[in-house]
Amino acid sequence: DQQVKQNSPSLSVQEGRISILNCDYTNSMFDYFLWYKKYPAEGPTFLISISSIKDKNEDGRFTVFLNKSAKHLSLHIVPSQPGDSAVYFCAASENDYKLSFGAGTTVTVRA
Amino acid sequence: DVKVTQSSRYLVKRTGEKVFLECVQDMDHENMFWYRQDPGLGLRLIYFSYDVKMKEKGDIPEGYSVSREKKERFSLILESASTNQTSMYLCASSPSSGHGYTEAFFGQGTRLTVV
Repeated sequence: DQQVKQNSPSLSVQEGRISILNCDYTNSMFDYFLWYKKYPAEGPTFLISISSIKDKNEDGRFTVFLNKSAKHLSLHIVPSQPGDSAVYFCAASENDYKLSFGAGTTVTVRA
Repeated sequence: DVKVTQSSRYLVKRTGEKVFLECVQDMDHENMFWYRQDPGLGLRLIYFSYDVKMKEKGDIPEGYSVSREKKERFSLILESASTNQTSMYLCASSPSSGHGYTEAFFGQGTRLTVV
């Protein structure tokens, strides 16, 4: 049973607008969360992370929000650019090394 | 830059063959992982290793084994390949921070097709 869930398999957004990707988790022991971005035929690359002691982390156009009580996190991309078209994976960890991943959300940014 | 290199981008093997997928990292990371990526299922952990000669089962270890004889190299072995092992295989490595968390770095992936 997947402990990290991304319920939206795809998202289409116009260039310049905001992309919001959602992720839910069931394991209350998770205390570190990450987002990865993956282009076709390449390995995932790290995008942004957040510790459970925070509720927001920002890095340029990317912001991750964490709501621990709801076991929910989201990734905001503002403004969306064509190069952001990729698959985004949410991941979570309860220890120093093992990551559990969601199924991924495919983002398409329209010109 | 951290580099995780997988020996093959594409492989085609026959059912019943023994298959070796090799992964090498050049950043002296303690932890190494093998995942498989399937549509609608995301990345699922097969095996991981946190030290030389150490290994632990992930979520889907059945039909696979691993070997880590040197710190920089982590091999995934399909003892007898089956068609349901057709997938994208991803190797990753990460350092052990000891007191915090770090991200894992991934290789480019191996697309394995078992016919």
